[in-house]
Amino acid sequence: EVQLLESGGGLVQPGGSLRLSCAPSGFTFSSYAMTWVRQAPGKGLEWVSGISANGGSTYNADSVKGRFTISRDNSKNTLYLQMNGLSAEDTAVYYCARGRSASSSSDLTYWGQGTLVTVSS
Amino acid sequence: DIQMTQSPSILSASVGDRVTITCRASQSISNWLAWYQQKPGKAPKVLIYKASNLESGVPSRFSGSGSGTEFTLTISSLQPDDFATYYCQQYNSYWSSFGQGTKLEIK
Repeated sequence: EVQLLESGGGLVQPGGSLRLSCAPSGFTFSSYAMTWVRQAPGKGLEWVSGISANGGSTYNADSVKGRFTISRDNSKNTLYLQMNGLSAEDTAVYYCARGRSASSSSDLTYWGQGTLVTVSS
Repeated sequence: DIQMTQSPSILSASVGDRVTITCRASQSISNWLAWYQQKPGKAPKVLIYKASNLESGVPSRFSGSGSGTEFTLTISSLQPDDFATYYCQQYNSYWSSFGQGTKLEIK
């Protein structure tokens, strides 16, 4: 059974940093591209970042470019999202998700339960 | 960037109704479109991928159609469990994007 478990969320002050992690199980992590999607309270889904299966290619939404960095350690079976320069607009539940295929461009078949990031002083 | 626009934003309907949600892309995305259902406090669940392919385990009352820039999600006969928020997602580009969502409410 495919499972994705996010961690690392919490309360952070404006301008601060946070690193989210996602621990997958039930599939060969190194064979799949991965994605971070967020959802601000009461709002819709926003695609944030994607990374290829080998980590060689990354893609970021304009809203986080230059501030967020997606990465992965296939030897540790972990996906990361390093978030710097946080502002109140980054307050959201952050989901990690896996696509249907190995392609970096895919629908998102599996989702974690999400981790809440709150940016506030 | 490819913008996705859903309509309507809110849809009121009754059990047994046939409903259709539309998603328009700002440029052609071929058939690289998925539909998701989300209930409060839960992660989204994929219903349809590649515009018209039904995800395994999803009831056959859900169907998707379209290509290019205009797509539809149809629920043939609404069931109580279907009242939720629905999102479309384009994945024609590595920089994916979602529609703003359609909340399906009980009339």
